[in-house]
Amino acid sequence: DSGVTQTPKHLITATGQRVTLRCSPRSGDLSVYWYQQSLDQGLQFLIQYYNGEERAKGNILERFSAQQFPDLHSELNLSSLELGDSALYFCASSVEIGYGYTFGSGTRLTVV
Amino acid sequence: QQQVKQSPQSLIVQKGGISIINCAYENTAFDYFPWYQQFTGKGPALLIAIRPDVSEKKEGRFTISFNKSAKQFSLHIMDSQPGDSATYFCAASKNSGYSTLTFGKGTMLLVSP
Repeated sequence: DSGVTQTPKHLITATGQRVTLRCSPRSGDLSVYWYQQSLDQGLQFLIQYYNGEERAKGNILERFSAQQFPDLHSELNLSSLELGDSALYFCASSVEIGYGYTFGSGTRLTVV
Repeated sequence: QQQVKQSPQSLIVQKGGISIINCAYENTAFDYFPWYQQFTGKGPALLIAIRPDVSEKKEGRFTISFNKSAKQFSLHIMDSQPGDSATYFCAASKNSGYSTLTFGKGTMLLVSP
């Protein structure tokens, strides 16, 4: 157990739907990162929050959004889902920005 | 734009052999280079990391070699074991690690018994 908790572990949904992925960072970590992992693209950085504030954005689609709450947990919202959104979505956390990422076990999203 | 290029995509090594994975980066501002190991069904886990003020770092059977002038770094796994079979990602970041990590596309390593 890495200390970073992601729920749900698996999610199957239909095209056009909206889902929410949840991440609880490791105790004491202020920074949360979301990554998308697909076979052909590897680990793609989506977005980063630090202590509730958005700090960096990567290749995140406009259909996707995220937030970090006062208790430091984070949610990634994916809407108008397409088949191509099927992937593993990882959350990572760190005490400071960038240094010593700890990853969760991921949420496998399947869009049918 | 892929800022960290990793090769090979996959690698098969016999037990006891040396596994070598290479990465090249473009951004000269990168100054923190970690390697992550990912087992099937798990998230990536930090394996070993290096900063450009040293050319080599060793931890057990794992060694990072760093060539600043060539903008390349590599992971060597000595005496490779079947338990090392996993996907390995190199990564890089700026500001001594205090910025988001950019990952390579990964190398699937299979160590045959």
